[in-house]
Amino acid sequence: AQSVTQLDSHVSVSEGTPVLLRCNYSSSYSPSLFWYVQHPNKGLQLLLKYTSAATLVKGINGFEAEFKKSETSFHLTKPSAHMSDAAEYFCVVSDPAGGSYIPTFGRGTSLIVHP
Amino acid sequence: GAGVSQTPSNKVTEKGKYVELRCDPISGHTALYWYRQSLGQGPEFLIYFQGTGAADDSGLPNDRFFAVRPEGSVSTLKIQRTERGDSAVYLCASSYTGGELFFGEGSRLTVL
Repeated sequence: AQSVTQLDSHVSVSEGTPVLLRCNYSSSYSPSLFWYVQHPNKGLQLLLKYTSAATLVKGINGFEAEFKKSETSFHLTKPSAHMSDAAEYFCVVSDPAGGSYIPTFGRGTSLIVHP
Repeated sequence: GAGVSQTPSNKVTEKGKYVELRCDPISGHTALYWYRQSLGQGPEFLIYFQGTGAADDSGLPNDRFFAVRPEGSVSTLKIQRTERGDSAVYLCASSYTGGELFFGEGSRLTVL
């Protein structure tokens, strides 16, 4: 079975300061991991993905995430927040057991960026 | 079109009525997913198609929910005897098998 836990429901930062959104996962096999972003009244957009290549993954808009198997974590970071980063962020795990591929979403973290 | 298209974008119906939600995936994508997202929650898996067949329907909440994909492209999610608890945004996504998901903007269903 697979699951994902986003440790913070809300994260508030000031513009120009670093962003850290935390995600822990549970998986029986070698997981694929993703971060998606959802802006208000918009569709979900892929930020980045990990699929067993490099453990440090770079995504769009300056975001990156590091896969740490020993900690079962896949935290999302950005060195300097921008006002346009304010959105809902979802960590997603996929565990291809038995040939199935059903991505499981976390509950989401709302990123608030103050001027 | 270039992306996943979902219609209608908004649907308001009365309790007990029947509704259909349509998803037009990206051309060539063999996998198609339906998710449901309630306010303040992450998307919840409903059903997954590989080609024309439902490869996994374990997320459908009960037998009032049904989905089809008869030609391996467009899919329709059907909800019978709607209840107020069915109100949510219904999301469709498509992908190549094992690839990243591409989402539509969703169909917001409100049951009065």
